[in-house]
Amino acid sequence: DTEVTQTPKHLVMGMTNKKSLKCEQHMGHRAMYWYKQKAKKPPELMFVYSYEKLSINESVPSRFSPECPNSSLLNLHLHALQPEDSALYLCASSQGYRGDQPQHFGDGTRLSIL
Amino acid sequence: GDSVTQMEGPVTLSEEAFLTINCTYTATGYPSLFWYVQYPGEGLQLLLKATKADDKGSNKGFEATYRKETTSFHLEKGSVQVSDSAVYFCALIQGDSNYQLIWGAGTKLIIKP
Repeated sequence: DTEVTQTPKHLVMGMTNKKSLKCEQHMGHRAMYWYKQKAKKPPELMFVYSYEKLSINESVPSRFSPECPNSSLLNLHLHALQPEDSALYLCASSQGYRGDQPQHFGDGTRLSIL
Repeated sequence: GDSVTQMEGPVTLSEEAFLTINCTYTATGYPSLFWYVQYPGEGLQLLLKATKADDKGSNKGFEATYRKETTSFHLEKGSVQVSDSAVYFCALIQGDSNYQLIWGAGTKLIIKP
């Protein structure tokens, strides 16, 4: 069982909809991440939060809006997405940034844009 | 820049066969190395890690040794099971204070009964 919980597991939305993805961890980790993964490819980093503050935005379009309400929760707000945004969205967390503090992933939300 | 190269898949084996998935890396300094596994329809799970040269990571019968002289971190298992069928990713993080995982392309493993 994963210690990083993501909801929903599946999401289908139209291009004009607004929806949110949620991620929760209770490991006391202070770094949290959003990744996008297309089929048969490794994950691509989107955002990094450190101590609840956005520290990295990997040039992600503004139709993706992250939010970190507290140290255990991470949201990804979606608006006006495009069909090419259909992918598996993964949340991860880590205790810190050291090499011996690896990132732990959730099971992801599989997003389909109609 | 830093990079990770994995053997191309799919790798198809019979149950109880010996498994090796090759991983080599290019990096300055002393990266930490990881193997992640992704079962069908699931997220990524950390399988094992090694943070310095000659370290051996192990978990669930899988092993990998950090070989600085050959810049390799090959994944091995003595006897695979059908349940090991998955995609395996090799990855590295360069140094401390670094969030950026550098990923290999992934190797799909298929185990036939």
